[in-house]
Amino acid sequence: QQQVKQSPQSLIVQKGGISIINCAYENTAFDYFPWYQQFPGKGPALLIAIRPDVSEKKEGRFTISFNKSAKQFSLHIMDSQPGDSATYFCAASWNAGNMLTFGGGTRLMVKP
Amino acid sequence: GAGVSQSPSNKVTEKGKDVELRCDPISGHTALYWYRQSLGQGLEFLIYFQGNSAPDKSGLPSDRFSAERTGGSVSTLTIQRTQQEDSAVYLCASSLPGFHNEQFFGPGTRLTVL
Repeated sequence: QQQVKQSPQSLIVQKGGISIINCAYENTAFDYFPWYQQFPGKGPALLIAIRPDVSEKKEGRFTISFNKSAKQFSLHIMDSQPGDSATYFCAASWNAGNMLTFGGGTRLMVKP
Repeated sequence: GAGVSQSPSNKVTEKGKDVELRCDPISGHTALYWYRQSLGQGLEFLIYFQGNSAPDKSGLPSDRFSAERTGGSVSTLTIQRTQQEDSAVYLCASSLPGFHNEQFFGPGTRLTVL
């Protein structure tokens, strides 16, 4: 049972453009929503995370938007750069267990 | 400081053989997780250790999979009688105790079962 659905599977953006990745979850017990960035041959690394008591969180060029009623959250990458080319995973967890439930991933390519 | 390390980085084995994968977490991280990443797929939770508590094994796909953590530090994931569908990258992560602390991932072990 896939509890976190992520789209699109792949995304091509021009340098300077905005990259948008969307996720939807089913389990209303989730209360922590991180995004991870993974480069080839490396483990995922935390990019930014949000809790459901806020609707938006911004860190530099990266913004998470969160819609609790719709059970959706998204990652926006402003001024996308070729160095942002990687696979991005949304995830979710809840206090009853720290394990992360991941979305299927989005492979982002930023063209120069 | 040193991050999470895993060994071996690559493992090729024959169907039916047993394999052991090792994870060295960040010093002081009492929480340790194993995940599996199949080709082109997301990460799938396998098992979670927190201090001296009984591990959460709810993600293990079959009884061929087991894991232990010795002395609250190093962990070993064992797969018995490997099958071709076990081929994947096995990732280990560690974090500080408590809820929703950042999980730091190792580089993974790529397992190929022929």
